[in-house]
Amino acid sequence: KAGVTQTPRYLIKTRGQQVTLSCSPISGHRSVSWYQQTPGQGLQFLFEYFSETQRNKGNFPGRFSGRQFSNSRSEMNVSTLELGDSALYLCASSWPTDSYEQYFGPGTRLTVT
Amino acid sequence: KQEVTQIPAALSVPEGENLVLNCSFTDSAIYNLQWFRQDPGKGLTSLLLIQSSQREQTSGRLNASLDKSSGRSTLYIAASQPGDSATYLCAAPTSEYSGAGSYQLTFGKGTKLSVIP
Repeated sequence: KAGVTQTPRYLIKTRGQQVTLSCSPISGHRSVSWYQQTPGQGLQFLFEYFSETQRNKGNFPGRFSGRQFSNSRSEMNVSTLELGDSALYLCASSWPTDSYEQYFGPGTRLTVT
Repeated sequence: KQEVTQIPAALSVPEGENLVLNCSFTDSAIYNLQWFRQDPGKGLTSLLLIQSSQREQTSGRLNASLDKSSGRSTLYIAASQPGDSATYLCAAPTSEYSGAGSYQLTFGKGTKLSVIP
């Protein structure tokens, strides 16, 4: 079974631009979560989607948004990029899995200049 | 609010040594706890998941234990190898979740392990 895939793997953007990242969960999984990883803050939860509905959202500004499609693929969007948005963005897929185990993708490395 | 702490932040050991990584969490009402491995610039690889009803879980040279009452988990690595060098993260669900599969993980900052040949 194929793992979680994320595209693109690397991105360089300029301040003020917007960016869209994509995540395809493991086939059959219906939950997709997004996390931001930075050296200073570590891994922080962004949001979680289940059956096209956002069920949880972390403490991030409204510039961060996402959506999930009927095939469970998910996208996250960051508008008006800031230098501090430079990070590794990871998505995880889950459910139905044993004990809600989370499976992570390779991440998208976003650099904002 | 769930908080997860990992000690030590970094660890360097000679090849062949057995070692223990520690993880503590503040909210003991967890459903499970998951250990991950992260290589530099890469995503997270799930190593072990311990359900709240279990006390330990084993996979190869790895053994993870969970003590909910004390809010602690340990990851034991036997006969360490240079290929084990990576950052190890533990993650516990936050206190709030609703519905099957709908919960977020709170991560520790990780332990960076270096195994010296």
